Amino acid sequence: DQQVKQNSPSLSVQEGRISILNCDYTNSMFDYFLWYKKYPAEGPTFLISISSIKDKNEDGRFTVFLNKSAKHLSLHIVPSQPGDSAVYFCAASASSWGNEKLTFGTGTRLTIIP
Amino acid sequence: DTAVSQTPKYLVTQMGNDKSIKCEQNLGHDTMYWYKQDSKKFLKIMFSYNNKELIINETVPNRFSPKSPDKAHLNLHINSLELGDSAVYFCASSQRTPNTDTQYFGPGTRLTVL
Repeated sequence: DQQVKQNSPSLSVQEGRISILNCDYTNSMFDYFLWYKKYPAEGPTFLISISSIKDKNEDGRFTVFLNKSAKHLSLHIVPSQPGDSAVYFCAASASSWGNEKLTFGTGTRLTIIP
Repeated sequence: DTAVSQTPKYLVTQMGNDKSIKCEQNLGHDTMYWYKQDSKKFLKIMFSYNNKELIINETVPNRFSPKSPDKAHLNLHINSLELGDSAVYFCASSQRTPNTDTQYFGPGTRLTVL
């Protein structure tokens, strides 16, 4: 049973435009969410996170939005740059479980078109 | 300086063999992890150690045995390798906090069992 879902396996966006990556979760115990970026033959790299006490967190070109009632989060990248082309993983954890157990989605491959 | 390193990067071996993957982190973190990314690109936690103590053991065959000689190292031993063990294995580390858990990943070890 996949508790974290990324329903779009791929996304193509023109350079300079906004990229929006989506993630849905089913377990209401999740209270901490992260986005990771992964290039081929490398490990996932932490990008940005959000706690369930917030609905938005911003870091430079990256903003994560959390809608707890819909159990949905999204990552906005603006403006998109060619170096943003990678696979993006959404992940979630629950503080009541000790937060060590991250549950990952299956990833969305983002391609930025120059 | 590499924060989380793994050796080897590639490992090709025959069915039935025993092999080890090493992981080291120089971030001063107290928690380390092993993840498996299968052919469907699904990243799933296998084990977690905090200060050399096992805290997460997901349903993993007992052919897989993690060993943590100190909190900077977490090695993965796999006995009697099977074809289905072919995957990319990622090591990660984090500093355990009450409310958040940002994990930092190594570059991965691609294991191919023939």
